[in-house]
Amino acid sequence: EAQVTQNPRYLITVTGKKLTVTCSQNMNHEYMSWYRQDPGLGLRQIYYSMNVEVTDKGDVPEGYKVSRKEKRNFPLILESPSPNQTSLYFCASSSLTGGRQETQYFGPGTRLLVL
Amino acid sequence: QQQVKQSPQSLIVQKGGIPIINCAYENTAFDYFPWYQQFPGKGPALLIAIRPDVSEKKEGRFTISFNKSAKQFSLHIMDSQPGDSATYFCAASIRGGAQKLVFGQGTRLTINP
Repeated sequence: EAQVTQNPRYLITVTGKKLTVTCSQNMNHEYMSWYRQDPGLGLRQIYYSMNVEVTDKGDVPEGYKVSRKEKRNFPLILESPSPNQTSLYFCASSSLTGGRQETQYFGPGTRLLVL
Repeated sequence: QQQVKQSPQSLIVQKGGIPIINCAYENTAFDYFPWYQQFPGKGPALLIAIRPDVSEKKEGRFTISFNKSAKQFSLHIMDSQPGDSATYFCAASIRGGAQKLVFGQGTRLTINP
């Protein structure tokens, strides 16, 4: 089954304790992206990657890091989480075949609470 | 700045009614306008999308109306059902523009039986 998986689905942590949220897709997609969803703000892009070793900032990258060492994986790293990073996080992927805009497939989300 | 503005924030409609969700955009370079549907506990999923060379697109009970001159587009759901209750997001992007989707704020739609 074609899918985007995220782990963990729920996470409670404390300020300053480094954490990683994993994202993996099995569709051989070149493009992957992280979003955060907050009430009244919709989804805002954190980072994206056009392919292996190619990453770039989205609209709200502060406090986050990413890496793309393999095509299928795109982990989101919070080096020193703060309470304002409490949010619902989504990973998404899509194909760049032919340079056309393709459907973005979203993972199930990771709900993060930073105390 | 919010490049795509969506309204209303929430909407309650009786079964069989026609909810309408509106979006307005600022960047005239946008050329792809999808709508995503999100059920509680799930990630958003593409519902329907339109490009600016047409004024309307229909897929089943879902229709996008697009007004290029007004820089507005809207989602209409015909014969709405309780199973349509979800959060709906409009979005916009630029073809070839790194696939960057700019989302609206979302509309929580409730269809009462």
